Amino acid sequence: DGGITQSPKYLFRKEGQNVTLSCEQNLNHDAMYWYRQDPGQGLRLIYYSQIVNDFQKGDIAEGYSVSREKKESFPLTVTSAQKNPTAFYLCASSPERTNQPQHFGDGTRLSIL
Amino acid sequence: AQSVAQPEDQVNVAEGNPLTVKCTYSVSGNPYLFWYVQYPNRGLQFLLKYITGDNLVKGSYGFEAEFNKSQTSFHLKKPSALVSDSALYFCAVIPAGNSGNTPLVFGKGTRLSVIA
Repeated sequence: DGGITQSPKYLFRKEGQNVTLSCEQNLNHDAMYWYRQDPGQGLRLIYYSQIVNDFQKGDIAEGYSVSREKKESFPLTVTSAQKNPTAFYLCASSPERTNQPQHFGDGTRLSIL
Repeated sequence: AQSVAQPEDQVNVAEGNPLTVKCTYSVSGNPYLFWYVQYPNRGLQFLLKYITGDNLVKGSYGFEAEFNKSQTSFHLKKPSALVSDSALYFCAVIPAGNSGNTPLVFGKGTRLSVIA
């Protein structure tokens, strides 16, 4: 079945450490997105990519970085500059046409040790 | 810039009763509107969308939503609630005909609790 795979499901970060969250899709979608979810705040956009080797900052990009070297993959790195990284991170993808829904992975929960 | 408001953080309804989860939006021009549902520790699942045509849209699991252009609303409804409908619901909007893959704008979510 086609879908989006996020790994790991749970991740722990030490102070000063960078961590990378994986997102892979086999839906042949052009666009991919990263969201951060905090209780009571809904989904906030971190980065998105419309095409390979190109990406744009979302609303809360500071302290995060991404790459899009392959159509299927859009990893997110949470850097040590992100002072409050504890959250639930969701990856999504969508086809080219904007009237089509986004598909979501099952998320990665990041916590600080 | 577009925005979505979900005025209720929490909606409680008895099993078997009708439910409504409210959503209002602001967008330049015509909107594309979406509803998603999220169960604990899971990603969002698509329920239904309004693109054009009939104002009443039917989606998954017996849910439907009514697009009201004059009130800029897109409320989610179900005639008879189930305990298994208890989840977090998100409304999202994007301007119609928007070029490229501009991201959806999501509301903050409404937690639905269906009581047996």
